[in-house]
Amino acid sequence: LAKTTQPISMDSYEGQEVNITCSHNNIATNDYITWYQQFPSQGPRFIIQGYKTKVTNEVASLFIPADRKSSTLSLPRVSLSDTAVYYCLVGGDFNKFYFGSGTKLNVKP
Amino acid sequence: SQTIHQWPATLVQPVGSPLSLECTVEGTSNPNLYWYRQAAGRGLQLLFYSVGIGQISSEVPQNLSASRPQDRQFILSSKKLLLSDSGFYLCAWSNKTPGGGETQYFGPGTRLLVL
Repeated sequence: LAKTTQPISMDSYEGQEVNITCSHNNIATNDYITWYQQFPSQGPRFIIQGYKTKVTNEVASLFIPADRKSSTLSLPRVSLSDTAVYYCLVGGDFNKFYFGSGTKLNVKP
Repeated sequence: SQTIHQWPATLVQPVGSPLSLECTVEGTSNPNLYWYRQAAGRGLQLLFYSVGIGQISSEVPQNLSASRPQDRQFILSSKKLLLSDSGFYLCAWSNKTPGGGETQYFGPGTRLLVL
């Protein structure tokens, strides 16, 4: 089960781009990388998932280098409502994801 | 579209009392189902998962049990609650995706306080 390492917290200001990096040195060949967002007292919400290179959707981009030992979630032009905890997960076929403590992002006005 | 429901939203129970939390999924069939617990300020701990009716796997020895009596229903139970059972309980589902890339979708959660 591949474990992940993320910064405990990050601060940003409204309108800035935020990049959160996650290390997963023991990632397996069939593991995908998935990011979730969680607000207090709510269930985690899926943001983005990728296997290699770059993935982009309407809310974020995910950058994965060739060795796949890390990944970076990029949030363009954050707003106050993006203040949340962000989890990086690595999992394969059976999806026994390991949720670490995540990164608490604090967006300031 | 798929939706996942959990109830109750909040629950306060005395130590030693029984527990039953229910989770149902709509809009999909034969999903994988999961129960997680989250302590305050911590990540999620996987408790149980199920790949089909009557099939339950436990990740961590607990004072809890799980059952899947129907395809889209997942129940978390306890015969006697402990103080340490307090927490935020989350149910999740995923579609089976051979080859990886499976994504879990979470319910709104149940806040349990054992006194």
